[in-house]
Amino acid sequence: QKEVEQNSGPLSVPEGAIASLNCTYSDRGSQSFFWYRQYSGKSPELIMFIYSNGDKEDGRFTVQLNKASQYVSLLIRDSQPSDSATYLCAVIGGGTSYGKLTFGQGTILTVHP
Amino acid sequence: GAGVSQSPSNKVTEKGKDVELRCDPISGHTALYWYRQRLGQGLEFLIYFQGNSAPDKSGLPSDRFSAERTGESVSTLTIQRTQQEDSAVYLCASSLAGGPWRATGELFFGEGSRLTVL
Repeated sequence: QKEVEQNSGPLSVPEGAIASLNCTYSDRGSQSFFWYRQYSGKSPELIMFIYSNGDKEDGRFTVQLNKASQYVSLLIRDSQPSDSATYLCAVIGGGTSYGKLTFGQGTILTVHP
Repeated sequence: GAGVSQSPSNKVTEKGKDVELRCDPISGHTALYWYRQRLGQGLEFLIYFQGNSAPDKSGLPSDRFSAERTGESVSTLTIQRTQQEDSAVYLCASSLAGGPWRATGELFFGEGSRLTVL
């Protein structure tokens, strides 16, 4: 089982819709959770992070964490074509490598006009 | 500069040659990562340096790959006897570290070194 798993997609949504991206992780000791966005040909950049169970909202983005079920999701409201990118889930685990960030394989999101 | 700097940005080499890729992290960042990203694929973890701790080398795909870091500054990734399957973009990233918080998880990536092995 991979440490961080994502559906590779591609996920295609119409402009204006809600895009829902999901991620599960295997280490119950994981402490903090991050979503990165990577545009084609560019390096990843951090867009959201969360530490505690529940929801966290920033503009059109909401991240949801459920530690009991070991999943973290990213919702993008009012999706725009400019949101088309690969979204990477990342987790800081409770393992032996102190503070190491582990990425999932990413979900490709396409928002079509 | 203020960001993570990688060199060379592009490298074309012949199969069997050795290559060295360089990463200059953001000053003060104690954590440094190397990733490989093949065309259309996800990030493949290679190695993780954190301060003076022993590096996590669990992602290095073979003994042809090695990496070093001088203190908390420059890192070099060396690939010996390159093969065509080594062709990829090699990304370096750095972050502050001190616990499982945003600063630790916010990686700043360089622009990458694109390696092409003919």
